[in-house]
Amino acid sequence: EVQLVESGGGLVQPGGSLRLSCVTSGFSFSSYWMSWVRQAPGKGLEWVANIKEDGREKYYVDSVKGRFTISRDNAKNSLYLQMNSLRVEDTAVYFCVGGARFGDYWGQGTLVTISS
Amino acid sequence: EIVMTQSPATLSVSPGERATLSCRASQSVSSNLAWYQQKPGQAPRILIYGASTRAIGIPARFSGSGSGTEFTLTISSLQSEDFAVYYCQQYNNWPPWTFGQGTRVEIK
Repeated sequence: EVQLVESGGGLVQPGGSLRLSCVTSGFSFSSYWMSWVRQAPGKGLEWVANIKEDGREKYYVDSVKGRFTISRDNAKNSLYLQMNSLRVEDTAVYFCVGGARFGDYWGQGTLVTISS
Repeated sequence: EIVMTQSPATLSVSPGERATLSCRASQSVSSNLAWYQQKPGQAPRILIYGASTRAIGIPARFSGSGSGTEFTLTISSLQSEDFAVYYCQQYNNWPPWTFGQGTRVEIK
Protein backbone atom coordinates (compact mmCIF):
# COMPACT_ATOMS: atom_id res chain seq x y z
CA GLU A 1 0.00 0.00 0.00
CA VAL A 2 1.28 3.42 -0.97
CA GLN A 3 1.47 5.89 1.90
CA LEU A 4 2.63 9.50 2.10
CA VAL A 5 2.40 11.05 5.53
CA GLU A 6 3.04 14.75 5.98
CA SER A 7 3.90 16.46 9.24
CA GLY A 8 5.25 19.73 10.51
CA GLY A 9 2.32 22.05 9.89
CA GLY A 10 1.00 24.43 12.49
CA LEU A 11 0.29 28.04 13.44
CA VAL A 12 3.11 30.49 12.85
CA GLN A 13 3.34 34.26 12.90
CA PRO A 14 4.10 36.16 9.70
CA GLY A 15 7.84 36.16 9.07
CA GLY A 16 8.29 32.84 10.82
CA SER A 17 9.55 29.49 9.59
CA LEU A 18 8.32 25.92 9.35
CA ARG A 19 9.77 22.69 8.03
CA LEU A 20 7.37 20.20 6.52
CA SER A 21 8.25 16.53 6.22
CA CYS A 22 6.72 13.72 4.21
CA VAL A 23 7.57 10.10 4.90
CA THR A 24 6.65 7.69 2.15
CA SER A 25 6.30 3.96 1.70
CA GLY A 26 4.91 1.46 -0.76
CA PHE A 27 6.54 2.82 -3.90
CA SER A 28 10.03 3.38 -5.19
CA PHE A 29 10.58 6.86 -3.77
CA SER A 30 14.06 7.28 -5.24
CA SER A 31 12.63 6.76 -8.74
CA TYR A 32 10.02 9.51 -8.48
CA TRP A 33 10.02 13.23 -8.92
CA MET A 34 8.31 14.64 -5.86
CA SER A 35 6.30 17.80 -5.39
CA TRP A 36 4.55 19.95 -2.85
CA VAL A 37 1.09 21.19 -3.84
CA ARG A 38 -0.94 23.49 -1.61
CA GLN A 39 -4.58 24.39 -1.23
CA ALA A 40 -5.68 27.55 0.54
CA PRO A 41 -8.90 27.22 2.57
CA GLY A 42 -11.84 26.84 0.20
CA LYS A 43 -9.63 27.35 -2.86
CA GLY A 44 -8.11 25.28 -5.65
CA LEU A 45 -4.81 23.51 -6.04
CA GLU A 46 -1.50 25.31 -6.50
CA TRP A 47 1.78 23.59 -7.31
CA VAL A 48 4.55 24.92 -5.05
CA ALA A 49 7.78 23.10 -5.85
CA ASN A 50 9.23 19.90 -7.17
CA ILE A 51 12.49 17.98 -7.06
CA LYS A 52 14.05 15.42 -9.35
CA GLU A 53 14.71 11.84 -8.30
CA ASP A 54 18.35 12.53 -7.44
CA GLY A 55 17.69 15.97 -5.95
CA ARG A 56 19.78 17.79 -8.55
CA GLU A 57 16.93 19.73 -10.11
CA LYS A 58 14.49 21.83 -8.16
CA TYR A 59 11.77 24.18 -9.32
CA TYR A 60 9.52 26.63 -7.50
CA VAL A 61 6.45 28.71 -8.16
CA ASP A 62 7.46 32.35 -8.38
CA SER A 63 5.65 33.35 -5.19
CA VAL A 64 7.88 31.16 -3.01
CA LYS A 65 11.24 31.52 -4.76
CA GLY A 66 13.93 32.57 -2.31
CA ARG A 67 11.74 31.70 0.69
CA PHE A 68 11.04 27.96 0.36
CA THR A 69 13.51 25.12 -0.19
CA ILE A 70 12.54 21.63 -1.26
CA SER A 71 14.81 18.71 -0.45
CA ARG A 72 14.73 14.95 -0.15
CA ASP A 73 16.51 12.07 1.53
CA ASN A 74 16.21 8.96 -0.59
CA ALA A 75 17.75 6.81 2.15
CA LYS A 76 14.83 7.78 4.38
CA ASN A 77 12.16 7.85 1.62
CA SER A 78 11.40 11.37 2.77
CA LEU A 79 10.61 14.75 1.25
CA TYR A 80 10.97 18.10 2.97
CA LEU A 81 9.91 21.72 2.53
CA GLN A 82 11.73 24.41 4.47
CA MET A 83 9.53 27.49 4.55
CA ASN A 84 10.99 30.82 5.67
CA SER A 85 9.67 34.38 5.74
CA LEU A 86 6.14 33.03 5.84
CA ARG A 87 3.27 35.24 4.75
CA VAL A 88 -0.44 35.20 5.49
CA GLU A 89 -1.04 34.10 1.90
CA ASP A 90 0.99 30.93 2.49
CA THR A 91 -1.84 29.64 4.67
CA ALA A 92 -2.94 26.33 3.14
CA VAL A 93 -2.99 22.60 3.36
CA TYR A 94 0.29 21.34 1.92
CA PHE A 95 0.20 18.03 0.09
CA CYS A 96 3.19 15.82 -0.62
CA VAL A 97 2.83 14.41 -4.14
CA GLY A 98 4.69 11.72 -6.05
CA GLY A 99 4.99 11.89 -9.82
CA ALA A 100 6.89 13.76 -12.51
CA ARG A 101 4.24 14.99 -14.90
CA PHE A 102 1.18 14.60 -12.70
CA GLY A 103 0.29 13.44 -9.22
CA ASP A 104 0.27 9.68 -9.04
CA TYR A 105 0.38 9.60 -5.26
CA TRP A 106 -0.87 12.13 -2.71
CA GLY A 107 -0.56 12.45 1.03
CA GLN A 108 -3.45 13.66 3.19
CA GLY A 109 -1.83 17.03 3.74
CA THR A 110 -0.69 19.15 6.64
CA LEU A 111 -2.26 22.49 7.53
CA VAL A 112 -0.06 25.57 7.70
CA THR A 113 -1.65 28.66 9.20
CA ILE A 114 0.12 32.00 9.13
CA SER A 115 -1.48 34.50 11.44
CA SER A 116 -0.59 37.01 14.10
CA GLU B 1 2.61 30.09 -17.90
CA ILE B 2 -0.30 28.12 -19.30
CA VAL B 3 -3.65 29.07 -17.78
CA MET B 4 -6.25 26.35 -17.36
CA THR B 5 -9.93 27.35 -17.28
CA GLN B 6 -12.67 24.96 -16.21
CA SER B 7 -16.38 25.23 -16.80
CA PRO B 8 -18.88 25.29 -15.34
CA ALA B 9 -17.86 26.23 -11.82
CA THR B 10 -20.71 24.13 -10.44
CA LEU B 11 -22.64 21.36 -12.15
CA SER B 12 -25.91 20.09 -10.68
CA VAL B 13 -26.70 16.56 -11.76
CA SER B 14 -29.11 13.87 -10.65
CA PRO B 15 -27.75 10.42 -9.75
CA GLY B 16 -27.67 8.20 -12.81
CA GLU B 17 -27.35 11.13 -15.21
CA ARG B 18 -24.35 12.03 -17.33
CA ALA B 19 -21.99 14.82 -16.31
CA THR B 20 -19.78 16.65 -18.77
CA LEU B 21 -16.98 18.86 -17.46
CA SER B 22 -14.81 21.11 -19.63
CA CYS B 23 -11.24 22.31 -19.37
CA ARG B 24 -9.57 24.78 -21.69
CA ALA B 25 -5.87 25.62 -21.94
CA SER B 26 -4.57 29.05 -22.90
CA GLN B 27 -2.24 27.37 -25.40
CA SER B 28 -1.85 23.86 -26.72
CA VAL B 29 -0.87 21.22 -24.18
CA SER B 30 -1.11 18.37 -26.70
CA SER B 31 -2.54 15.42 -24.74
CA ASN B 32 -0.58 16.22 -21.59
CA LEU B 33 -3.58 16.71 -19.37
CA ALA B 34 -4.69 15.03 -16.15
CA TRP B 35 -7.97 15.03 -14.24
CA TYR B 36 -8.32 14.66 -10.48
CA GLN B 37 -11.21 14.10 -8.11
CA GLN B 38 -11.24 15.64 -4.65
CA LYS B 39 -13.79 14.91 -1.96
CA PRO B 40 -14.21 17.13 1.13
CA GLY B 41 -11.39 16.69 3.61
CA GLN B 42 -9.49 14.36 1.31
CA ALA B 43 -6.50 14.60 -0.98
CA PRO B 44 -7.04 14.70 -4.72
CA ARG B 45 -6.76 11.42 -6.56
CA ILE B 46 -5.72 10.93 -10.15
CA LEU B 47 -8.52 9.85 -12.48
CA ILE B 48 -7.20 10.40 -16.00
CA TYR B 49 -3.82 11.18 -17.53
CA GLY B 50 -2.74 11.60 -21.12
CA ALA B 51 -6.15 13.24 -21.61
CA SER B 52 -7.91 9.89 -21.95
CA THR B 53 -6.11 7.11 -20.04
CA ARG B 54 -7.81 6.01 -16.84
CA ALA B 55 -5.57 5.58 -13.84
CA ILE B 56 -5.43 2.22 -12.08
CA GLY B 57 -8.66 1.39 -10.30
CA ILE B 58 -10.76 4.13 -11.88
CA PRO B 59 -14.20 2.93 -13.01
CA ALA B 60 -15.04 2.86 -16.70
CA ARG B 61 -17.83 5.41 -16.20
CA PHE B 62 -15.08 8.06 -16.13
CA SER B 63 -13.75 9.00 -19.55
CA GLY B 64 -11.57 11.80 -20.86
CA SER B 65 -11.23 13.25 -24.30
CA GLY B 66 -9.68 16.13 -26.18
CA SER B 67 -6.31 17.43 -27.22
CA GLY B 68 -4.65 20.74 -27.85
CA THR B 69 -6.64 23.30 -25.89
CA GLU B 70 -10.04 21.70 -25.34
CA PHE B 71 -10.69 18.79 -23.00
CA THR B 72 -13.69 17.02 -21.53
CA LEU B 73 -14.22 14.73 -18.56
CA THR B 74 -17.41 12.69 -18.82
CA ILE B 75 -19.00 10.70 -16.03
CA SER B 76 -21.47 8.49 -17.82
CA SER B 77 -23.85 7.68 -14.96
CA LEU B 78 -23.26 9.56 -11.74
CA GLN B 79 -23.02 7.53 -8.58
CA SER B 80 -23.39 8.98 -5.09
CA GLU B 81 -19.64 8.71 -4.52
CA ASP B 82 -18.90 10.83 -7.61
CA PHE B 83 -20.17 14.08 -6.12
CA ALA B 84 -16.93 15.97 -5.59
CA VAL B 85 -14.71 18.67 -7.05
CA TYR B 86 -12.81 17.88 -10.24
CA TYR B 87 -9.60 19.57 -11.36
CA CYS B 88 -7.71 19.47 -14.63
CA GLN B 89 -3.93 19.94 -14.75
CA GLN B 90 -1.56 20.43 -17.67
CA TYR B 91 1.92 18.97 -17.73
CA ASN B 92 2.97 19.82 -21.26
CA ASN B 93 5.05 22.81 -20.19
CA TRP B 94 6.32 22.17 -16.69
CA PRO B 95 7.30 23.46 -14.30
CA PRO B 96 4.98 24.75 -13.19
CA TRP B 97 2.15 22.28 -13.10
CA THR B 98 -0.94 24.41 -13.60
CA PHE B 99 -4.41 23.47 -12.45
CA GLY B 100 -7.84 24.65 -13.40
CA GLN B 101 -9.92 26.28 -10.70
CA GLY B 102 -12.14 23.21 -10.35
CA THR B 103 -15.69 22.14 -11.12
CA ARG B 104 -17.94 21.15 -8.26
CA VAL B 105 -20.38 18.36 -9.15
CA GLU B 106 -23.35 18.52 -6.79
CA ILE B 107 -26.55 16.60 -6.36
CA LYS B 108 -29.50 18.11 -8.19
